[in-house]
Amino acid sequence: DAEITQSPRHKITETGRQVTLACHQTWNHNNMFWYRQDLGHGLRLIHYSYGVQDTNKGEVSDGYSVSRSNTEDLPLTLESAASSQTSVYFCASSEWLAGPYNEQFFGPGTRLTVL
Amino acid sequence: AQTVTQSQPEMSVQEAETVTLSCTYDTSENNYYLFWYKQPPSRQMILVIRQEAYKQQNATENRFSVNFQKAAKSFSLKISDSQLGDTAMYFCAFMNMYNNNDMRFGAGTRLTVKP
Repeated sequence: DAEITQSPRHKITETGRQVTLACHQTWNHNNMFWYRQDLGHGLRLIHYSYGVQDTNKGEVSDGYSVSRSNTEDLPLTLESAASSQTSVYFCASSEWLAGPYNEQFFGPGTRLTVL
Repeated sequence: AQTVTQSQPEMSVQEAETVTLSCTYDTSENNYYLFWYKQPPSRQMILVIRQEAYKQQNATENRFSVNFQKAAKSFSLKISDSQLGDTAMYFCAFMNMYNNNDMRFGAGTRLTVKP
């Protein structure tokens, strides 16, 4: 069955370190997204991609970067981790550009703690 | 920009009873989509129900139904015959009809079903 996976599931790091969170989907979806989930804010969009070599900034992109070298993967990099980036991170993918049945499928999330 | 508000941070309901979760949103768009997602303790985001703004008929999915009031910009979720497995965080989400990446989430309502 097609799926979307994230690794690691939990990560503890120190302030100032570079961290990369992996996202891999086997749906063959063109669109991929990264969200962060914080108490009181729901999910907020960090970056998204509509295809290989395409990346776009979302609502809360400062301090994050992504790259899309193939259809299946969209790694999220924190260039210099800050305590404010302690959060749960979700990756998602979808098939089309629009439409009510263009459901976003979510990964299981990565809990990141920055000390 | 669109905003989504869930005014009930926490709710509880007795098993087998009915509960309604509230959601309001703000948009200047006429066509859009609305969603309810469930996030159980496993953190997996699961789509519960979707509604197209151009449809007057309220969406239903088994025990889950919505009350969509377009003029009032209200989109509540009713869960009938509540089950212990319904215990989860519930997120209301708004998606722009023509722009897949423009998806906004509410802060969530934590629902506890009591035996």
